Amino acid sequence: ELKVEQNPLFLSMQEGKNYTIYCNYSTTSDRLYWYRQDPGKSLESLFVLLSNGAVKQEGRLMASLDTKARLSTLHITAAVHDLSATYFCAGDTGTASKLTFGTGTRLQVTL
Amino acid sequence: DSGVTQTPKHLITATGQRVTLRCSPRSGDLSVYWYQQSLDQGLQFLIQYYNGEERAKGNILERFSAQQFPDLHSELNLSSLELGDSALYFCASSLSGRGGDTEAFFGQGTRLTVV
Repeated sequence: ELKVEQNPLFLSMQEGKNYTIYCNYSTTSDRLYWYRQDPGKSLESLFVLLSNGAVKQEGRLMASLDTKARLSTLHITAAVHDLSATYFCAGDTGTASKLTFGTGTRLQVTL
Repeated sequence: DSGVTQTPKHLITATGQRVTLRCSPRSGDLSVYWYQQSLDQGLQFLIQYYNGEERAKGNILERFSAQQFPDLHSELNLSSLELGDSALYFCASSLSGRGGDTEAFFGQGTRLTVV
């Protein structure tokens, strides 16, 4: 059974700083996803990582995948307040595409 | 807007009651997923339907059931409701249910409060 762990659970960072959120998973996952959720809102898809070594970037966010280490990272560059949200990673196990989510990382960017 | 529509947005009901949550997937998507998000359990997969048939089951209680209709919309039925069923229920849809590089898009959710 796939298990997904994220850390940290909570991250308070100043605007302009860099930081990384880590996502470890327990068994082979065909794909690794990153989602953003604002309070009480839906899940917004950020990245889909399909293969080992995959790196995707969108604005100040960059996600990478290391399947050998079973690790994905979400790197935040020069954080801005608008990035404040909860970020989830999720894996799936192939044929059914059901997602197993991590606990989420609540990111708070302060001025 | 993801294109996935869920109704109602909010629902308040009493313990022991039964409710139905509705989901219309994105146009062309054949697969529908239901997830529950609560403070203590986090985001949990409940069940998946693909083109009208159940494809995968997760941590779904026996009191809960779902179906997908010929027009591909789906309903999640929750019965004998308990206080602990209060949560945000999300529906997601994807083009296929067989993996590959299709991703799931989430609706706005239905917030269920059981009092």
